[in-house]
Amino acid sequence: EVKLVQSGTEVKKPGESLRISCRASGYHFTNYWITWVRQMPGKGLEWMGRIDPSDSYTYYNPSFHGHVTISADKSISTSYLQWSSLKASDTAMYFCARRYGGTYYADHWGQGTLVTVSS
Amino acid sequence: QSALTQPASVSGSPGQSITISCTGTSSDVGGFPFVSWYQQHPGKAPKLLIYDVTHRPSGVSNRFSGSKSGNTASLTISGVQAEDEADYYCSSYTSNNFVSFGGGTKLTVL
Repeated sequence: EVKLVQSGTEVKKPGESLRISCRASGYHFTNYWITWVRQMPGKGLEWMGRIDPSDSYTYYNPSFHGHVTISADKSISTSYLQWSSLKASDTAMYFCARRYGGTYYADHWGQGTLVTVSS
Repeated sequence: QSALTQPASVSGSPGQSITISCTGTSSDVGGFPFVSWYQQHPGKAPKLLIYDVTHRPSGVSNRFSGSKSGNTASLTISGVQAEDEADYYCSSYTSNNFVSFGGGTKLTVL
């Protein structure tokens, strides 16, 4: 069974750093890309970027480029989403999802990680 | 502001058919056969319903179908049921080489 299990809820202060994770199981991790999606409170979905775990090539939505970093460790089948300096506007639910290379849909999703940034 | 435009809400009675539209441009919906639809219940992760405009993943009810005409894609739910009450999002590949989502449509089953 394909599973994407994300790390737990985070509460941080503005300016702090953070890394959240997405651990994959049930399939060959390097055969699929991992996409990250943001959902701000009460709002819609936003595609942040994706990574190919086989070579760690990343591609970002220009709206997020430079503010977040997507990475992957294929030895433990895990992708990460990282911030070096959080803002209050980063408060959101973040989902990871699996996507086959060359396709543009996500067929399995993680349960989401809620990140709250507040002073 | 989302790149793809969806109605904020739709409603229907059990058994009726409803259609949700997703309007883009020739740089996204109209230009590529890569429109997807997702269902999201409150507090849950999105679930893939339709990919590549018309294809349904295994396990998804055949009450859900997708289509496209020009720059507008559509999701039709035939015989809507109470369990279908959720938010629905379209997405499309774009000429900028990333994926855009619609703003989402809340389906209310009366």
